[in-house]
Amino acid sequence: NAGVMQNPRHLVRRRGQEARLRCSPMKGHSHVYWYRQLPEEGLKFMVYLQKENIIDESGMPKERFSAEFPKEGPSILRIQQVVRGDSAAYFCASSQKGAGLMNTEAFFGQGTRLTVV
Amino acid sequence: TQLLEQSPQFLSIQEGENLTVYCNSSSVFSSLQWYRQEPGEGPVLLVTVVTGGEVKKLKRLTFQFGDARKDSSLHITAAQTGDTGLYLCAGAKAGGGADGLTFGKGTHLIIQP
Repeated sequence: NAGVMQNPRHLVRRRGQEARLRCSPMKGHSHVYWYRQLPEEGLKFMVYLQKENIIDESGMPKERFSAEFPKEGPSILRIQQVVRGDSAAYFCASSQKGAGLMNTEAFFGQGTRLTVV
Repeated sequence: TQLLEQSPQFLSIQEGENLTVYCNSSSVFSSLQWYRQEPGEGPVLLVTVVTGGEVKKLKRLTFQFGDARKDSSLHITAAQTGDTGLYLCAGAKAGGGADGLTFGKGTHLIIQP
């Protein structure tokens, strides 16, 4: 049973380009979470999605960032017109139960390290 | 304001020693999880605690959830170099809601041979 798969592992983009980060949840998991990690900053929640629905995007910047989790295929985190400050590790997690329920366990992918040059 | 405070932020000890790291909050959590993250990798779930006062053991690691479900501790007995890593606590808020897990900044643990 494969774990959470993220790709690419490393992504380099020039300022102004678009970055697309992919996440395939664990088999049987229909809840996906995206987090951003900056050095010494810990993990910051960005968005929580269930199949075809955005449940909570309170941690997502209002501009340039978007996320989707289509009925078929992986979840995508898209960053348009990237800037240097977007450089970070982006982690995806999935769970079987939804957020807010007791005993929800989230399993993380290995992350995508985005570098904006 | 950070909801989960972890302490200490950095800890370097000799192999064989014991240590405790803490995760504190003024908020109540329905469950709390501990993860370990190694450089270049994603966090790996170690344990989930759900009941106030709960104690769980994972070999040399002992996890405790506070009675009021606001804090937790991780105690490592006879630390080994393989325990080196970033230890993160994360809480799921009580009362439901659709938020993702709230993470602390982590404790960077180095076990020296």
